[in-house]
Amino acid sequence: DAMVIQNPRYQVTQFGKPVTLSCSQTLNHNVMYWYQQKSSQAPKLLFHYYDKDFNNEADTPDNFQSRRPNTSFCFLDIRSPGLGDAAMYLCATSTTGRETQYFGPGTRLLVL
Amino acid sequence: KNEVEQSPQNLTAQEGEFITINCSYSVGISALHWLQQHPGGGIVSLFMLSSGKKKHGRLIATINIQEKHSSLHITASHPRDSAVYICAVNRGSTLGRLYFGRGTQLTVWP
Repeated sequence: DAMVIQNPRYQVTQFGKPVTLSCSQTLNHNVMYWYQQKSSQAPKLLFHYYDKDFNNEADTPDNFQSRRPNTSFCFLDIRSPGLGDAAMYLCATSTTGRETQYFGPGTRLLVL
Repeated sequence: KNEVEQSPQNLTAQEGEFITINCSYSVGISALHWLQQHPGGGIVSLFMLSSGKKKHGRLIATINIQEKHSSLHITASHPRDSAVYICAVNRGSTLGRLYFGRGTQLTVWP
């Protein structure tokens, strides 16, 4: 089945220790998104790629970076995680950006 | 003020009841989405609407563009419908970006 896969599902890291979250998709969608969702809050868009074009939200901290080496994969790098970065990180895809977004199961990040 | 407002924030129902969740928005949109999020985090897209009404099984979504309002209805609710329901909109000017409501926590008791 075509889908959006996120690895790992749970990630524990130490304060300040870099961490990378992975998203892959078999849908061959052009657009990939990374969202941060804190407890009881709506998802917050961090950035998105339209093909190779990177679009950063104005309020996304510099601590967050992303890479999209090919259509299928997108990575979220957190260079120096702080306690406030503990959250669920959701990856989503869509065909053109004006269609339904397909979400992955999320990676729950815990920072100790 | 959030651009997308949902009500109620929390909703409890008995199995079999008819449920309505409301969403209002204050910006011009190209589409409105209803999403479902179960405990554990995964989000499923239920509907994408730009006008009128859509139905899928026991779920019905309507939108009134003039009034900037949408509703999600669940007929014959079931405990497995318990989840957070999120309204989100695409603004016409910003490709792909979704603006989210805060969600409605629905709990359906047997």
